[in-house]
Amino acid sequence: KQEVTQIPAALSVPEGENLVLNCSFTDSAIYNLQWFRQDPGKGLTSLLLIQSSQREQTSGRLNASLDKSSGRSTLYIAASQPGDSATYLCAVSSNTGKLIFGQGTTLQVKP
Amino acid sequence: EPEVTQTPSHQVTQMGQEVILRCVPISNHLYFYWYRQILGQKVEFLVSFYNNEISEKSEIFDDQFSVERPDGSNFTLKIRSTKLEDSAMYFCASSVHRTNYGYTFGSGTRLTVV
Repeated sequence: KQEVTQIPAALSVPEGENLVLNCSFTDSAIYNLQWFRQDPGKGLTSLLLIQSSQREQTSGRLNASLDKSSGRSTLYIAASQPGDSATYLCAVSSNTGKLIFGQGTTLQVKP
Repeated sequence: EPEVTQTPSHQVTQMGQEVILRCVPISNHLYFYWYRQILGQKVEFLVSFYNNEISEKSEIFDDQFSVERPDGSNFTLKIRSTKLEDSAMYFCASSVHRTNYGYTFGSGTRLTVV
């Protein structure tokens, strides 16, 4: 059974710092991996999608990497801003399209 | 940018009552999903729907739950007899393809069972 774990559970950094969020999964037979952002009481916003054949994806200040064989992904946020404060969720997709989520990393960026 | 729309945003219901949560997926998407998130817990898969039938469901999705696409645009989740433990945020999502494209999630319906 696929399990997704995110470390750390919470992170607080000063504005401007670069940071890395970690995601690990137990079964490497995934089709893709997505990173989402969730603001309190709100829905999920897709940030980056990495197909199983890809190693990384970039969007603006965000870079996500995928090492399928070791069951790991990282989300790198450059030059963090207070507006980046949110919960970041990692989710892996099975061949049926079902997403299995980690518990998230809650990020606080202090001005 | 196209959106997945969910209504209502918040619903309060008495235990034992039936509720219907509504979603309008993105128009050219073919795959539809419901997920839920109990407060403080992980987002959990409930059900996927394709070609007018359920393609996969989780063990959470028991006989109390049903889904329907009644008119080609709406996608609904019905809970027949709500329990206290059904209180959660329910998210609808849609995608063009099962695995090659990302999901678009709606903003959720917060269901409170009292």
